[in-house]
Amino acid sequence: DVQMTQSPSYLAASPGESVSISCKASKSISTYLAWYQEKPGKANKLLIYSGSTLQSGTPSRFSGSGSGTDFTLTIRSLEPEDFTVYYCQHYNEYPFTFGSGTKLEIK
Amino acid sequence: EVQLQQSGPELRRPGSSVKLSCKASGYSITDYLMHWVKHRPEHGLEWIGWIDPEDGETKYAQKFQSKATLTADTSSNTAYMQLSSLTSEDTATYFCARAFGHTTGPFDYWGQGVMVTVSS
Repeated sequence: DVQMTQSPSYLAASPGESVSISCKASKSISTYLAWYQEKPGKANKLLIYSGSTLQSGTPSRFSGSGSGTDFTLTIRSLEPEDFTVYYCQHYNEYPFTFGSGTKLEIK
Repeated sequence: EVQLQQSGPELRRPGSSVKLSCKASGYSITDYLMHWVKHRPEHGLEWIGWIDPEDGETKYAQKFQSKATLTADTSSNTAYMQLSSLTSEDTATYFCARAFGHTTGPFDYWGQGVMVTVSS
């Protein structure tokens, strides 16, 4: 199985700042990488797919980059609603696997 | 508006089974694969498998091959997952999620999740 190593597990930042979350795959997954946002009481939201393509409705302050084994989610000019949990997921081969999550907290 | 409405929380005894439902609205379930995902805080998210409701084809992660059974009822636009021989390891929140586009992944819409508790 492809292991997805997501870091950091916790990240503290202030509104207006920019942050980056890393996701490393144990083998090449091309660009078959998605990023999700999890909020309490809400359905998980697909933010980015194919490594860097913004899903419809995802604010432009979110961006994704990477291919192969190294991927990054960047959030610029953090808004209050961005402070929540983020997961990466590969869908290159079976089984699909997820990163362990990053909790973004307000500093 | 696409929505996936999952059934309510379940409490089951060890050794029993449970069938979870995921009712889709805003689209026909025959048009997209439906995935199921397990979430335990200490183990993270685990992909269980998918079903193609149009023809019933399924694909499971190996570790869930004998644990989960995915089905769908096109007449009610609902997907189901049955979990058998429940143990404490099956205590988790389970999500259904629609595959994006006409592909196997990623997942563009998720249900709200259903908590399954296995306890004697």
